[in-house]
Amino acid sequence: SQKIEQNSEALNIQEGKTATLTCNYTNYSPAYLQWYRQDPGRGPVFLLLIRENEKEKRKERLKVTFDTTLKQSLFHITASQPADSATYLCALEYQAGTALIFGKGTTLSVSS
Amino acid sequence: SAVISQKPSRDICQRGTSLTIQCQVDSQVTMMFWYRQQPGQSLTLIATANQGSEATYESGFVIDKFPISRPNLTFSTLTVSNMSPEDSSIYLCSVLPSGSYNEQFFGPGTRLTVL
Repeated sequence: SQKIEQNSEALNIQEGKTATLTCNYTNYSPAYLQWYRQDPGRGPVFLLLIRENEKEKRKERLKVTFDTTLKQSLFHITASQPADSATYLCALEYQAGTALIFGKGTTLSVSS
Repeated sequence: SAVISQKPSRDICQRGTSLTIQCQVDSQVTMMFWYRQQPGQSLTLIATANQGSEATYESGFVIDKFPISRPNLTFSTLTVSNMSPEDSSIYLCSVLPSGSYNEQFFGPGTRLTVL
């Protein structure tokens, strides 16, 4: 079965730096990969989706890369701010076009 | 997009009792899911709530323990039956709106504590 690993449970960085989070998966390459943000006491919020034929995708200060050879996605937040502090989840399709499987998440703390 | 509400937001229950969690969406959606998030863990899919038919359960989850109703395209309930402390978790519903390329929208979750 598909497994997802986000290799850092916690990441602490200074304001203004770039945060880089890693997501690795083990089995079949999905058609797309997603990143979500989760704040304490709240449900996950969708951030970005990247398809298997896309190497990179950007949205404002966010950038996602997808390397199907390495079976890895990197999630970058540039010019990080304390408001970016949250848990970031990587997700893959569980079955085509339906539910998702999630990594455990990386909790990012940005200090001022 | 979709706006999702869940009731209750949290509850503390006694062992052996049951709790029904409601999920309401502000628009009609075809796909609706229930997830569990145990402390320090990621989200685990419990089942897909199908409108007009029985829910589709994932391995490790059974209908007797987690009965689900989906009477229409905007509403679903998940019941956690005969609860034990191991059921203490956050339960979340999510939807996949029509036209969405599988980005899901989540409710705020129901935090359940079983004593």
